[in-house]
Amino acid sequence: AQSVTQPDIHITVSEGASLELRCNYSYGATPYLFWYVQSPGQGLQLLLKYFSGDTLVQGIKGFEAEFKRSQSSFNLRKPSVHWSDAAEYFCAILNTGGFKTIFGAGTRLFVKA
Amino acid sequence: DTAVSQTPKYLVTQMGNDKSIKCEQNLGHDTMYWYKQDSKKFLKIMFSYNNKELIINETVPNRFSPKSPDKAHLNLHINSLELGDSAVYFCASCPVGGQVTGELFFGEGSRLTVL
Repeated sequence: AQSVTQPDIHITVSEGASLELRCNYSYGATPYLFWYVQSPGQGLQLLLKYFSGDTLVQGIKGFEAEFKRSQSSFNLRKPSVHWSDAAEYFCAILNTGGFKTIFGAGTRLFVKA
Repeated sequence: DTAVSQTPKYLVTQMGNDKSIKCEQNLGHDTMYWYKQDSKKFLKIMFSYNNKELIINETVPNRFSPKSPDKAHLNLHINSLELGDSAVYFCASCPVGGQVTGELFFGEGSRLTVL
């Protein structure tokens, strides 16, 4: 069965510093992978997705993610974090049938001044 | 206009009561979902409807009954509420079951507190 692991429960970075959030997946074939962001009191919003092709995908708000099949990873990156990026970030995978999105446990990002 | 809207946003009730949460999407999507987010932010899928037909039922207690009167609406009724039902419930929609874009569009959530 497909699954997603986010090893870090929370991460703190300084404003202006770079960010990398880790995501590992378990799936036999080429996965459909996503990163979502949840601001406090809000629903989730899609940041970016990977279906196939170029393994480096660009998303909204200056985020990017790199798909690495050899490491079963899909890490999220941002070169310079802004205070407004403080939120919960979820990595997710779409199941084989295409109807069920399975989420990781989330990583809470704190941004310090 | 809000794309996926849920009501109510907050719900506080006593154990044993019955309550409903409503969801509407104006995106023209075929597929709608209910997710439960617990206090540790873990998101678990509960149900999915594709064009009014139930396609996913994730071993949710039968106290939970979803209803989809049309493809733009998906409601969740909960009978005999228990303390463990306290959570944030998210409605989401997706075009054609995710096979086209895969993107889920979420409502803002309905926070249910059972006392």
